Amino acid sequence: SQQGEEDPQALSIQEGENATMNCSYKTSINNLQWYRQNSGRGLVHLILIRSNEREKHSGRLRVTLDTSKKSSSLLITASRAADTASYFCATDARNNNDMRFGAGTRLTVKP
Amino acid sequence: NAGVTQTPKFQVLKTGQSMTLQCAQDMNHNSMYWYRQDPGMGLRLIYYSASEGTTDKGEVPNGYNVSRLNKREFSLRLESAAPSQTSVYFCASSETVNEKLFFGSGTQLSVL
Repeated sequence: SQQGEEDPQALSIQEGENATMNCSYKTSINNLQWYRQNSGRGLVHLILIRSNEREKHSGRLRVTLDTSKKSSSLLITASRAADTASYFCATDARNNNDMRFGAGTRLTVKP
Repeated sequence: NAGVTQTPKFQVLKTGQSMTLQCAQDMNHNSMYWYRQDPGMGLRLIYYSASEGTTDKGEVPNGYNVSRLNKREFSLRLESAAPSQTSVYFCASSETVNEKLFFGSGTQLSVL
């Protein structure tokens, strides 16, 4: 079963707008990661946030983590057409050693 | 610097045939992984190798075997392919287990 679940499943916005994607998970984690996948390609790592961190930034990306609610959000500011991709969260659960991915959010940024 | 290289990129098999998917990384990473990706399911872990000489089952190991040939190479074998194994397979590696995975470009496998 998947550990992380992204919401929404699909998101369509205009270039320049912000995009927010959410991830919920079920068990305690060591870390949570976000990845991007362009159509037909492998996944690319975006950001890793550890369980003792609450917020992290990388360029136009902002990730928050709320361990009490078992949820995370990924914010992409000032989106560009090139941000069109699927975005996945992945969790490293404390009670097992394998990293689980959610089903992803499909983001479309219209020029 | 090639990163993670998977071969082949595409493969069509008949039910019952066997094949091995190859994966190699040139980043001196300790950990390597095999995932499969099905539509609407995200990625599911098949097997992983936390370090050279060790392998462990992931979420969906049935019907697969793996070999960590050396630090660079991690192969996935389908002994008797089934239509349910039609999927896109990704190999990944990381410096330490479950930290920042680097992915290959995938193998699209169809089992008829």
